[in-house]
Amino acid sequence: NAGVTQTPKFRVLKTGQSMTLLCAQDMNHEYMYWYRQDPGMGLRLIHYSVGEGTTAKGEVPDGYNVSRLKKQNFLLGLESAAPSQTSVYFCASRSTTEDTQYFGPGTRLTVL
Amino acid sequence: QQQVKQSPQSLIVQKGGISIINCAYENTAFDYFPWYQQFPGKGPALLIAIRPDVSEKKEGRFTISFNKSAKQFSLHIMDSQPGDSATYFCAASKELGKIIFGKGTRLHILP
Repeated sequence: NAGVTQTPKFRVLKTGQSMTLLCAQDMNHEYMYWYRQDPGMGLRLIHYSVGEGTTAKGEVPDGYNVSRLKKQNFLLGLESAAPSQTSVYFCASRSTTEDTQYFGPGTRLTVL
Repeated sequence: QQQVKQSPQSLIVQKGGISIINCAYENTAFDYFPWYQQFPGKGPALLIAIRPDVSEKKEGRFTISFNKSAKQFSLHIMDSQPGDSATYFCAASKELGKIIFGKGTRLHILP
């Protein structure tokens, strides 16, 4: 039982490049979330999903897209990366029966 | 609009002392108040949580005190240890588990 895993762990992009971050969970959780963490800003919700095939915007969705084609996977895409998207990205999941969110280990992204 | 305000930003405590981190919230619809602990290079992990129907919850050396009328809650770490050095986030949520996090407190326990 690996919990929540994220791929890749680190990535450096040039401005304008695109990439996809993958989150996978093996706990059969319905809900999944993408956050970004910046120094002094805490964790801010980018997008979330309440089930396979559904997604919704969070607090800071601009510049990002997501997809939840399979229940266990939640993908975060950056179509045209900008330096302002340099951050650490965390994925989390939760079941429908408890409030606890389980976080992955994070992806550190640098956009030059 | 910052819905969950956390203080202090950083805190240094001697080993064996009491660490206290405070949070205030604005939205009275919040019904779940967790604290998350994050070590460097790791994702946050739930430490302890409380609901507004109780004023205090204790788990080992960690205690949440909750004041519903003041819309404030705090984390107390008794007998603080160097292994408690981490960043702590308070948070609040309602419906669908969307969590609003405070900005975090970096705690350092001196050996």
